[in-house]
Amino acid sequence: NAGVTQTPKFQVLKTGQSMTLQCAQDMNHNSMYWYRQDPGMGLRLIYYSASEGTTDKGEVPNGYNVSRLNKREFSLRLESAAPSQTSVYFCASSEANREKLFFGSGTQLSVL
Amino acid sequence: EDQVTQSPEALRLQEGESSSLNCSYTVSGLRGLFWYRQDPGKGPEFLFTLYSAGEEKEKERLKATLTKKESFLHITAPKPEDSATYLCAVQVGGYQKVTFGTGTKLQVIP
Repeated sequence: NAGVTQTPKFQVLKTGQSMTLQCAQDMNHNSMYWYRQDPGMGLRLIYYSASEGTTDKGEVPNGYNVSRLNKREFSLRLESAAPSQTSVYFCASSEANREKLFFGSGTQLSVL
Repeated sequence: EDQVTQSPEALRLQEGESSSLNCSYTVSGLRGLFWYRQDPGKGPEFLFTLYSAGEEKEKERLKATLTKKESFLHITAPKPEDSATYLCAVQVGGYQKVTFGTGTKLQVIP
């Protein structure tokens, strides 16, 4: 079982460049999430999608946009990357009304 | 503001040396407390959910307990394969309102 699949695994951008992080899950989960993880800080929620067709801001949404393409896919877009967005990004999913999160393996992003 | 504090930041144990990791929290209206394991270069993997004070859950060498102010992850006779970072998280309100701690990095030496 693939679970939650993220691409790419690594990415280097220059300041001002744009990119989209892709995420897909095959567990038929309704809810999907994007987190970032920085040294010395806990995982922080960027955006989430409670169900297909809905998206909402999390704790740190500035500089990001998301698209819930269908029930399986949830993408995260950086329109104009900044060095402060250097981080490891994780996509996660959960069953509706359940709290247990299933995480992807992460994307390590460096913005120079 | 909801806060989750994990201690110690790092822990080094000899194989077989039991110990405990701590997660203290300050939240209004705890709905659940979670423990995850994270290996280097990978995403967190779910271990336990605890819902109310006094609750305990076990899995192999791991046992999680919960009080009104903190949770402990007890590791009995650890093995090198237990080496990982252990994350604690608390849920307040909706399922999107989950606050993570910064983790305890555990190293078990053969």
